[in-house]
Amino acid sequence: EAQVTQNPRYLITVTGKKLTVTCSQNMNHEYMSWYRQDPGLGLRQIYYSMNVEVTDKGDVPEGYKVSRKEKRNFPLILESPSPNQTSLYFCASRFLAGGVEQFFGPGTRLTVL
Amino acid sequence: GENVEQHPSTLSVQEGDSAVIKCTYSDSASNYFPWYKQELGKRPQLIIDIRSNVGEKKDQRIAVTLNKTAKHFSLHITETQPEDSAVYFCAASNSNTGKLIFGQGTTLQVKP
Repeated sequence: EAQVTQNPRYLITVTGKKLTVTCSQNMNHEYMSWYRQDPGLGLRQIYYSMNVEVTDKGDVPEGYKVSRKEKRNFPLILESPSPNQTSLYFCASRFLAGGVEQFFGPGTRLTVL
Repeated sequence: GENVEQHPSTLSVQEGDSAVIKCTYSDSASNYFPWYKQELGKRPQLIIDIRSNVGEKKDQRIAVTLNKTAKHFSLHITETQPEDSAVYFCAASNSNTGKLIFGQGTTLQVKP
């Protein structure tokens, strides 16, 4: 089944404790992206990648890192999480060509205490 | 920078009525406009999209219209049903940059 997967789905952590949220897709998509969703603010892009070893900042990249060592994986790294990073996170992927459907992962609900 | 404004932020309708959600985009080079539906606790999923060479597209009870001159596009849902209750996001994409910019979302409530 074609899909985007994320892990973990739920995470409660404390300020400053490094964490990684994994994202994987099996559709051979070049483009992968991370969003955070907060009430009233919609979906804001954190980082994106147009292919292996190619990453770039989105609209809200501060406090996050990403890597793209393989085409299928695009982990999101929070080196020193803070409470303002409490949010719902979505990974997404699509083919690079414009005007194509973007597929979202199931989401990761992160709480930073 | 580029942005997409979406209105209203909340919309409540009676079952069977129509619902309209409107979006305005700033990047005149945008040429792809998808709409996503997000049910409670779930991921956003594409429900309909339109490209800049088309003015209107329909799929059963949903339709999308695009006015390129005014940089407006709208989602129309007719004969609404309780299962249409969800958050709806519009988005605009420029195929040159590949970036997809989302609106802030509209929470639609359909009352039985």
